[in-house]
Amino acid sequence: QTVVTQEPPFSVSPGGTVTLTCGLSSGSVSTSYCPSWYQQTPGQAPRTLIYNTNTRSSGVPDRFSGSILGNKAALTITGAQADDESDYYCLLHMGSDIWQFGGGTKLTVL
Amino acid sequence: QVQLVQSGAEVKRPGASVKVSCKASGFTFTTYSIQWVRQAPGQRLEWMGWINLGRGSTKYSQKFQGRVTFTRDTSASTAYMELSSLISEDTAVYFCARDGGSGNWHFWGQGTMVTVSS
Repeated sequence: QTVVTQEPPFSVSPGGTVTLTCGLSSGSVSTSYCPSWYQQTPGQAPRTLIYNTNTRSSGVPDRFSGSILGNKAALTITGAQADDESDYYCLLHMGSDIWQFGGGTKLTVL
Repeated sequence: QVQLVQSGAEVKRPGASVKVSCKASGFTFTTYSIQWVRQAPGQRLEWMGWINLGRGSTKYSQKFQGRVTFTRDTSASTAYMELSSLISEDTAVYFCARDGGSGNWHFWGQGTMVTVSS
């Protein structure tokens, strides 16, 4: 079974730019996978940041952006802030109305 | 405003079943689908499946096929997730989310903690 892959824990300096990626154990991620990105802090429900590759969800600041970079989906945070410190999950549509989350990336801002 | 309010925490014995509810408000219930997601303590999000609230059609993750059932009560604007033959590894927070299409699961319930313990 194809696995959705994300980076291990990552860190970024305040004000810096970071790109998190979402790939497949076999094959390439394209827009047909409708990649979306979720932010989650401990004890809270996930918050939708990006859906359908690059559409920002309502109320999400424009320093969060989504794209396809090479063979992966990507989430870029520009001007990282302390409260961006969270777990970030990508979600892919695997076809046949089946969805799969990546393993998540823990982002530290320091 | 759109709200999804889930039922309270549950403690179950191994082998039992649990039924979690997700009461919707602020939108036309039958025009959306609800996705169900769970998260074991310290673990990643795990997709369980969805139910179309209008047609009642469902799709289950292969992992849970045969053990999970999604239903809905349109008169009560409530969706349900029932998981049977519980084992300790089913201990998790269970979330419902409204599917707005193209991966836009913008609205989430607050989560329901299910603990399976003897």
